[in-house]
Amino acid sequence: DVKVTQSSRYLVKRTGEKVFLECVQDMDHENMFWYRQDPGLGLRLIYFSYDVKMKEKGDIPEGYSVSREKKERFSLILESASTNQTSMYLCASSTVGGVQPQHFGDGTRLSIL
Amino acid sequence: AQRVTQPEKLLSVFKGAPVELKCNYSYSGSPELFWYVQYSRQRLQLLLRHISRESIKGFTADLNKGETSFHLKKPFAQEEDSAMYYCALSGGSGNTGKLIFGQGTTLQVKP
Repeated sequence: DVKVTQSSRYLVKRTGEKVFLECVQDMDHENMFWYRQDPGLGLRLIYFSYDVKMKEKGDIPEGYSVSREKKERFSLILESASTNQTSMYLCASSTVGGVQPQHFGDGTRLSIL
Repeated sequence: AQRVTQPEKLLSVFKGAPVELKCNYSYSGSPELFWYVQYSRQRLQLLLRHISRESIKGFTADLNKGETSFHLKKPFAQEEDSAMYYCALSGGSGNTGKLIFGQGTTLQVKP
């Protein structure tokens, strides 16, 4: 069974802090994704990566960056956290070979004070 | 532009009643469509995909290219079906696996 693990379930940070959200998958998946989930807006893609050191912007990349130094790990970075980045963050992974479903982590509920 | 629309934020039905969660999409090519479900305090998980033409937990969904719809249906709702449901479209090129999600519909099944 695919396991996507996010390092924290809940996180509270202050405005202006640099925040790191970590995600690890154990199925050797090539693709990894970061979404934020907000009521009424669904899931919006922040960034995705289809290989080590490769990244592409999603729909709402502003204020975020990512890092993929190893295949199993995909980090989301909030360069200078702001209150409008308070949200639920979901990490997902998928393999290649046609269109494959994505497997999700439990999510990190991030509050920026 | 690629877009997925779920017009209902909340759908409330009684146990045993039929359920239809609506999903409309906008995409110029041949779409791949999915339904994901998130039960309370659980992770988001795949419910079904149109290419499989399967029934999962009594749910089915048929792709209607003429109406650009992929509605999720179940003839008799159960209380355990209460959850958030997302429709998702894959329309990216290559194998990036990028998905576009709808806004989600909360299904509430009352006893």
